[in-house]
Formats: sequence, structure tokens, C-alpha cells
Amino acid sequence: EVQLVESGGGLVQPGGSLRLSCAASGFTVSSNYMNWVRQAPGKGLEWVSVIYSGGSTYYADYVKGRFTVSRDNSKNTLYLQMNSLRAEDTAVYYCARGEKYYMDVWGKGTTVTVSS
Amino acid sequence: EIVLTQSPGTLSLSPGERATLSCRASQSISSSYLAWYHQKPGQAPRLLIYGASSRATGIPDRFSGSGSGTDFTLTISRLEPEDFAVYYCQQYDSSRRLTFGGGTKVEIK
Repeated sequence: EVQLVESGGGLVQPGGSLRLSCAASGFTVSSNYMNWVRQAPGKGLEWVSVIYSGGSTYYADYVKGRFTVSRDNSKNTLYLQMNSLRAEDTAVYYCARGEKYYMDVWGKGTTVTVSS
Repeated sequence: EIVLTQSPGTLSLSPGERATLSCRASQSISSSYLAWYHQKPGQAPRLLIYGASSRATGIPDRFSGSGSGTDFTLTISRLEPEDFAVYYCQQYDSSRRLTFGGGTKVEIK
């Protein structure tokens, strides 16, 4: 079964760091492009970053320079390193598998709360 | 940067009625690059339509997508109780980034 399971969310103070993980099963992370998408409480979906099969990475302007997406092929796992966190980064973070120009498999999400 | 604007913000309809949701892009995009998702409370989004008009696996045929250029439409021919949710359009652009529209909530009237 194709599945994505996120973990690593939690409560962190402003300026702090957190690393999210997304464990994949049923397919190979390195063969697809993989995305992070977030959703602030009561708000819409917001794309965060992508890593392509060749290793290229891209970020939304509001996280560029603070967040880093990576993957561990041996663990078939995607990561999102989040530094210099702000209150506005509070959200549910989803990982999603990219297929051509859309996202066809989503995890259930992990919650990040940035607050003092 | 291409901006997607969805309308209306909220659509109040009864089960059995037809729903028509709009997604307008700030500049022309390839139909291949346009997708639709829905999201129920507390759940992850689910892919409905890709390539503007192709239904994803397992999506019933009451859902259909159409459009080209800057104007795209998602139609639900007859609303079922499970269709009341928030719907998002999404596009992929030449900078290899993705963006979402603001969403349309379809609520029970």
C-alpha cells in the first residue's frame, strides 16, 4: 500500500528549530518528486517546498532561507528542517507525492506550533 | 508568480443540486498544470482532478473538470452528503513551484 506518515511536529519557541520526517512505503521517494504543504489553523493550503528526483529543491518565498528539504534514500524518508521559526509557521504540515504536475498521495499531517 | 483566485468563497447548496466552482489564473496556464482537490474537516486533501479534466483513481463521475487558459471549472453534477467539503485548485508553474487557490467551501444549505 502506498502510504506517507509524517512525524516530528510539536511546540517550539519563536526562533527555534524543528525537523519533520515523512516516511514513505509502497513506493520509492527518490523516484518521485516530493512536496511539503502546510495549512495554518482555519486557513487554506499553502505549498512550502519540493525536492525533485534529481535532487533539485525549490521553496516558497515565505520559507526560503529558513527551511531545507532533503531525503534519505536508504530510509525512504523525506525531511523538512525548519529554522528561525515564526508564529506564522504554525500549521499542519503535510508531505505529498508529486506525480507529473499534481500531488496524488498525501500523508495525514503533523502539527507544528510556534509559540512562547 | 501565477495567482489562482477561486470563487465563490462559499457555496450553499442542498444534496442533489449541481455545484459549479471557479478557478481563475492571473495568467494563462497549460491545462496539464491544473488540478483540483477536496478536503474534509480533520483530513488530508484528496486529489480529484488532474490535467484540468481527468478524474483521479476512484473519483466518481459526478465530478468533472473543464477549462483552459485562465478559466477553469469544477462541476459536481449531483451533490452527495460526502461532497460537502472545501475544494482547492492547484497549478504547477515553469519555475517548478506549485500554488493553490484560496479554496471554495461547499456547505449544506
